[in-house]
Amino acid sequence: AQKVTQVQTEISVVEKEDVTLDCVYETRDTTYYLFWYKQPPSGELVFLIRRNSFDEQNEISGRYSWNFQKSTSSFNFTITASQVVDSAVYFCALSAYTGGGNKLTFGTGTQLKVEL
Amino acid sequence: GAGVSQSPSNKVTEKGKDVELRCDPISGHTALYWYRQRLGQGLEFLIYFQGNSAPDKSGLPSDRFSAERTGESVSTLTIQRTQQEDSAVYLCASSSQSYEQYFGPGTRLTVT
Repeated sequence: AQKVTQVQTEISVVEKEDVTLDCVYETRDTTYYLFWYKQPPSGELVFLIRRNSFDEQNEISGRYSWNFQKSTSSFNFTITASQVVDSAVYFCALSAYTGGGNKLTFGTGTQLKVEL
Repeated sequence: GAGVSQSPSNKVTEKGKDVELRCDPISGHTALYWYRQRLGQGLEFLIYFQGNSAPDKSGLPSDRFSAERTGESVSTLTIQRTQQEDSAVYLCASSSQSYEQYFGPGTRLTVT
């Protein structure tokens, strides 16, 4: 069975602070994919990133960066110089490609509040 | 281009009634997924369609839930004899071969 754990239920920061959202996963699959999605107050999930299990290179996209460590089964997400517009619920998700599709297993989400 | 659309955006129904929720995927996306999001929680997988293959129904919580999809187009999620615990946001997603799932705005279902 797959499981995704986001231990931080809610994080509050002041604008321009850096913030890291933790994600730990469990899976028995050898090939899998990890995702981060953003859910702003409007409710619609926005895709942020997908990583393959065999590619542990960290990735940076503007103020966003992701640290994938297979040894600790973690896929953490850092926002540098946070902004009020970053306020949202962030979900980490896992899927295994078994030939039957890639249904996602989601964590319970981390509510990020960025204040002025 | 157009994203995933869902209708209705909100649905209030009485306990015991049947409801139908509709999803229009992104054109050309072969895969379609339904998820449920209860208040303050993550998303739970319900069902998955891939082309003309048999759907993966492993996430459906009871036999009151069913879904259909015609080819690679519209899908309908039906909940029969609704219960209060069915109250949630029902999200639809579609994907192509790249594995990223693109989500619709959801249908907020309230069972009174």
